[in-house]
Amino acid sequence: EAGVAQSPRYKIIEKRQSVAFWCNPISGHATLYWYQQILGQGPKLLIQFQNNGVVDDSQLPKDRFSAERLKGVDSTLKIQPAKLEDSAVYLCASSLEGKVYEQYFGPGTRLTVT
Amino acid sequence: AQKVTQAQTEISVVEKEDVTLDCVYETRDTTYYLFWYKQPPSGELVFLIRRNSFDEQNEISGRYSWNFQKSTSSFNFTITASQVVDSAVYFCALSEAWAGGTSYGKLTFGQGTILTVHP
Repeated sequence: EAGVAQSPRYKIIEKRQSVAFWCNPISGHATLYWYQQILGQGPKLLIQFQNNGVVDDSQLPKDRFSAERLKGVDSTLKIQPAKLEDSAVYLCASSLEGKVYEQYFGPGTRLTVT
Repeated sequence: AQKVTQAQTEISVVEKEDVTLDCVYETRDTTYYLFWYKQPPSGELVFLIRRNSFDEQNEISGRYSWNFQKSTSSFNFTITASQVVDSAVYFCALSEAWAGGTSYGKLTFGQGTILTVHP
């Protein structure tokens, strides 16, 4: 069974530029999560989707971050405009509906904002 | 609010030594899950264990063992006879276990402990 796929693996941009990350969850997983992991810290949940609906986006900085999961499968996380403090690893995870305690994580995208 | 504290930022041991990673948590939930994840240099979080708050039995899996003590709100992780391949960042995490709760499925992570095992 294929795992959670993310791309790109690395991205370097200048502040005020925009960037987008892509996630393909495990087939059949209805729930998808985006986490932000700043260096030296644990991951922090940004947004949770159930199919194509948002369950929780309380910690998403909505003035610059946006995420979508239009067809209930792939998801895109966008930052516009990026700030220096957005430098982090962005992790995507997925789980079966009703098994949100069994989350499978992708390899992450490491973003550096200069 | 939920909180997970991993007081040990970094631990360095020599191969074959035993090592214990500490985890202390805070929650108002009556039922919750505790987790340990491993994050190797590749970056992917690897699930190690999930423990329900109702189950205080300690668990052993090969060289890994976990000690859950509800009285002290701790969920410590011990690696016996450590190996170089155990070098990674280890995270303790917490989530609400009641499906009707607002924090159900939302993982709260500790800051992580960097474990380095030297040959």
